[in-house]
Amino acid sequence: DAKTTQPTSMDCAEGRAANLPCNHSTISGNEYVYWYRQIHSQGPQYIIHGLKNNETNEMASLIITEDRKSSTLILPHATLRDTAVYYCIVRPSYGNKLVFGAGTILRVKS
Amino acid sequence: KAGVTQTPRYLIKTRGQQVTLSCSPISGHRSVSWYQQTPGQGLQFLFEYFSETQRNKGNFPGRFSGRQFSNSRSEMNVSTLELGDSALYLCASSPREASGELFFGEGSRLTVL
Repeated sequence: DAKTTQPTSMDCAEGRAANLPCNHSTISGNEYVYWYRQIHSQGPQYIIHGLKNNETNEMASLIITEDRKSSTLILPHATLRDTAVYYCIVRPSYGNKLVFGAGTILRVKS
Repeated sequence: KAGVTQTPRYLIKTRGQQVTLSCSPISGHRSVSWYQQTPGQGLQFLFEYFSETQRNKGNFPGRFSGRQFSNSRSEMNVSTLELGDSALYLCASSPREASGELFFGEGSRLTVL
């Protein structure tokens, strides 16, 4: 499983965009980038995933570099409820096993 | 649509005992995975089931076992409990075998004394 590297923590002002980076330099061609978050005392929540192209859904946008060695999760207008641990995960195209790292603690402040 | 339901939510056991945790996936989901979360090790994959067959297993001792029933409900069992087994045990379901989009329950918090 490819390893990911994320900053330990980040702060963001409420209403501003939160940009969470992730390095995955050993990613293989058939591996996807997934993002999950875990709000305190809850189970992880799926946010978004992508292979090569940038992706957007109602929660966030995912920007993957052309060489696929890094990606950025963008929460366009962060709210206090977005305070959570955000996990960047590289996953092969088969199976449902997810390898979670330590993630990034995002603190949204008013 | 009801989410993933895990029971019990909280339980306390003593060393040497065994415990069974239950997971009811989202209706229509046939894949169930289990994860252990501890402050020291973070979230770690235990096993994954699809259509009653174990598809993948994490690096845990044989004291940890699981199964899936024909209605997709799943149970995991931990025998001969150790203090280090104290953790939040999370179950996740998915509609497909190779989805990556998992829906997690709120977990069962096990304390071993």
